[in-house]
Amino acid sequence: GAGVSQSPSNKVTEKGKDVELRCDPISGHTALYWYRQSLGQGLEFLIYFQGNSAPDKSGLPSDRFSAERTGGSVSTLTIQRTQQEDSAVYLCASSSGTRSSYEQYFGPGTRLTVT
Amino acid sequence: AQKVTQAQTEISVVEKEDVTLDCVYETRDTTYYLFWYKQPPSGELVFLIRRNSFDEQNEISGRYSWNFQKSTSSFNFTITASQVVDSAVYFCALSETNTGNQFYFGTGTSLTVIP
Repeated sequence: GAGVSQSPSNKVTEKGKDVELRCDPISGHTALYWYRQSLGQGLEFLIYFQGNSAPDKSGLPSDRFSAERTGGSVSTLTIQRTQQEDSAVYLCASSSGTRSSYEQYFGPGTRLTVT
Repeated sequence: AQKVTQAQTEISVVEKEDVTLDCVYETRDTTYYLFWYKQPPSGELVFLIRRNSFDEQNEISGRYSWNFQKSTSSFNFTITASQVVDSAVYFCALSETNTGNQFYFGTGTSLTVIP
């Protein structure tokens, strides 16, 4: 079946502009996660959704970052007033359950470049 | 403090050599899960294995094997008779039951297999 998809695959934006990144999880997966991967770094947890609610927003780096999920499916990560340090690959993952034992399935990521 | 440490940033081996990727974790939970993911040059992370904290049996899957030792808080990954297709970045991750759904990823080990 279809895996996790993300769009756009690449995004170049000017500093100060807002961007929206989209994630389509695997159908039926209740949990959805956003991570950020900077060059040469591991994965930095941003936020996760259980259904449409986000119990843990602790990883969002600043109030410029927000995310929502509608219909228990598609999620959008929004970065307002982008800064150069926001340049990274943003990865989305989903899992079939919300317990810590469930493996996550990752999308191909969105590479964001802020000029 | 880093919950998952992958001290080896980059490793190069010649094809057919064996290679071990180290992973050391830190947790106070008695129930937790450990994972390995592979990120090939194409960029998409692929799930390799999950281990729960109560199962210290080593696991072998083809050329891959995993050595889980609670006494040293390590979950090492060995590739036997490496192949060029094994070239990728490998991530170790920890999921704790008391933090619910957050995964802690190491910074990854970049493996290059030279033909």
